[in-house]
Amino acid sequence: KAGVTQTPRYLIKTRGQQVTLSCSPISGHRSVSWYQQTPGQGLQFLFEYFSETQRNKGNFPGRFSGRQFSNSRSEMNVSTLELGDSALYLCASSFSPPTSGRGELFFGEGSRLTVL
Amino acid sequence: KNQVEQSPQSLIILEGKNCTLQCNYTVSPFSNLRWYKQDTGRGPVSLTIMTFSENTKSNGRYTATLDADTKQSSLHITASQLSDSASYICVVSGEGATNKLIFGTGTLLAVQP
Repeated sequence: KAGVTQTPRYLIKTRGQQVTLSCSPISGHRSVSWYQQTPGQGLQFLFEYFSETQRNKGNFPGRFSGRQFSNSRSEMNVSTLELGDSALYLCASSFSPPTSGRGELFFGEGSRLTVL
Repeated sequence: KNQVEQSPQSLIILEGKNCTLQCNYTVSPFSNLRWYKQDTGRGPVSLTIMTFSENTKSNGRYTATLDADTKQSSLHITASQLSDSASYICVVSGEGATNKLIFGTGTLLAVQP
């Protein structure tokens, strides 16, 4: 069974630009959650989606947004990029939302964003 | 403030030895605690998920313990192998208004031959 697919794997942007990252979950999973990982802050929860609805959001500014489509695929968008947005962005899929306390999370390999 | 603290920050052990990683949290009310292994450049992989009522859970050579009273968890690795070299991350989920995932900063384990 195919795993979680994230695209693109690597990308370079400049300050002020925007970026869209994509995540295709494991077939049958209806929940997708997004995380930011940096050397200084570690992993931080961005938001989670279940059946096209955002259920929870972490403590990130409104420049970070996302959505989930009817086929459970998800995208996240970061507008007006800042240098501090350089990070590995991970998505995870699961049967139930991770904050529900049920089920295992399956992570993708991540999208590494560099902002110059 | 909801926090998850892991110790040690890094650890070097010889192949074949055992080790124990610690995770202390202040998240309340508590829902569950997860341990993940993350190889360099890869996404995290789940090792265990523990709820309030579970004290111990094993996954091969990995054994996690949870003391919900003292808000402490440990991950014990038995007979370490070179492939155990990775970052180990503790994640705590709260309930209700705090039902967001709180990540520890991880313990970087290096297993040397």
